[in-house]
Amino acid sequence: AQKVTQAQTEISVVEKEDVTLDCVYETRDTTYYLFWYKQPPSGELVFLIRRNSFDEQNEISGRYSWNFQKSTSSFNFTITASQVVDSAVYFCALSGSKAAGNKLTFGGGTRVLVKP
Amino acid sequence: DVKVTQSSRYLVKRTGEKVFLECVQDMDHENMFWYRQDPGLGLRLIYFSYDVKMKEKGDIPEGYSVSREKKERFSLILESASTNQTSMYLCASRKGEQFFGPGTRLTVL
Repeated sequence: AQKVTQAQTEISVVEKEDVTLDCVYETRDTTYYLFWYKQPPSGELVFLIRRNSFDEQNEISGRYSWNFQKSTSSFNFTITASQVVDSAVYFCALSGSKAAGNKLTFGGGTRVLVKP
Repeated sequence: DVKVTQSSRYLVKRTGEKVFLECVQDMDHENMFWYRQDPGLGLRLIYFSYDVKMKEKGDIPEGYSVSREKKERFSLILESASTNQTSMYLCASRKGEQFFGPGTRLTVL
C-alpha cells in the first residue's frame, strides 16, 4: 500500500521568509512518481511538479525548489522569499505502477499562510 | 490547455436523495478519477476509470457508484445521499500529471 505523510498541517510565515514543506512517502513500487499540487483559496488544484523515482536531481523553478531524497523517502518543497500569493494548501502525492491504474495517493496537505 | 469541468460548484441536497455529479474533460484522456477532499485527510480516491465502461474502486467507494458511457464524461452517483457525504468532490483526468476540475462542494442536509 502507498502512503504519503505531510506532517505539517499549517505553516505561517511573514512575506519574504523561506518556507519548506515536508513530504515523506511509502511505496513498494520500484518505479513511481511524486507530485506537488497547489490549491489556492479558489479551490482548483494546480499542478506544480512531477518527478520520477529514477531522477534524484533537485529542481528549481523560479522561487520554488524541490529536494528528492530516495534514501529517506522524502520529497520536500521550498518556497524562497514567500509572497502573499503563495498562501494556499499544498499537497504532495505519489503515483505507483501503471498496473495500479496510475492512481494518486495524496498526503493530508499543508496550509501555508503568508502574512504581509 | 486541458480543461476539466464539473457540472456544479455548489450543491445542496437532502438525505436520501439520489445525486449525480458530472465531470467532462476535453483532452481525450483515458484515465479519469473522482476524489473527495476533507480537512486534514487530503484527497481520497473514490473511483477511477481507465476506459469507457471500465471502472475500478478506489480507497473509499462505499456509498458511491460511477458511470463512464463516453470517454470524455465520468459521472459520480450517490444512490442515497447521507450527511457524512457532505464534502468537496474533485474530478481529474490524466495523461502524465492529473488535471483537476474546480470541484463541487456538496452539502447533504
